[in-house]
Amino acid sequence: NAGVMQNPRHLVRRRGQEARLRCSPVKGHSHVYWYRQLPEEGLKFMVYLQKENIIDESGMPKERFSAEFPKEGPSILRIQQVVRGDSAAYFCASSLQGGGRTGTEAFFGQGTRLTVV
Amino acid sequence: GENVEQHPSTLSVQEGDSAVIKCTYSDSASNYFPWYKQELGKRPQLIIDIRSNVGEKKDQRIAVTLNKTAKHFSLHITETQPEDSAVYFCAAPNLSNSGYALNFGKGTSLLVTP
Repeated sequence: NAGVMQNPRHLVRRRGQEARLRCSPVKGHSHVYWYRQLPEEGLKFMVYLQKENIIDESGMPKERFSAEFPKEGPSILRIQQVVRGDSAAYFCASSLQGGGRTGTEAFFGQGTRLTVV
Repeated sequence: GENVEQHPSTLSVQEGDSAVIKCTYSDSASNYFPWYKQELGKRPQLIIDIRSNVGEKKDQRIAVTLNKTAKHFSLHITETQPEDSAVYFCAAPNLSNSGYALNFGKGTSLLVTP
């Protein structure tokens, strides 16, 4: 039973380039969440998606960041024109039902560590 | 949005001692409180959770208590072992938006020394 798979594990981008982070949820899970973790800090919620829909993007920066979860294929977090401040670990989580207040466990992937040089 | 405060930020205990980590939340409607453990360079993993209709839950050496009136919940680890060393995060639902995402505390770095 494969868990949440994220790739790449490590990504280095020059300032101004685009970063694409991929997340394949646990098989059968249709709810995906993206979190960002800065060094020595907690996990900051970015966006919550169900298949083909963005449900909650209240934590997503207004510019340069976008996310999708197509009908087929993994969820993608896209960061355009990266800056040094985007360097962080980006974690994806999935759940069988909507998590949070429903009390459904969210399973995390190994994360993608983005370094902007 | 839901504000989750976690203390202490670092905790060092000797093997065999107990460790307690405390969190407070702001939204009295919050109803689900998970705890995640993250070892260095690895993914966060759920270790225990509690729902608002229960005051305490225990799983072997780990227990979580919830005080709804005071809006705080705590993680208790007894008979600590070196492999308990990790960063621990508490969380609560972000009810100001969809309610489906979690807001996390900033984490507690626990070090268990032999």
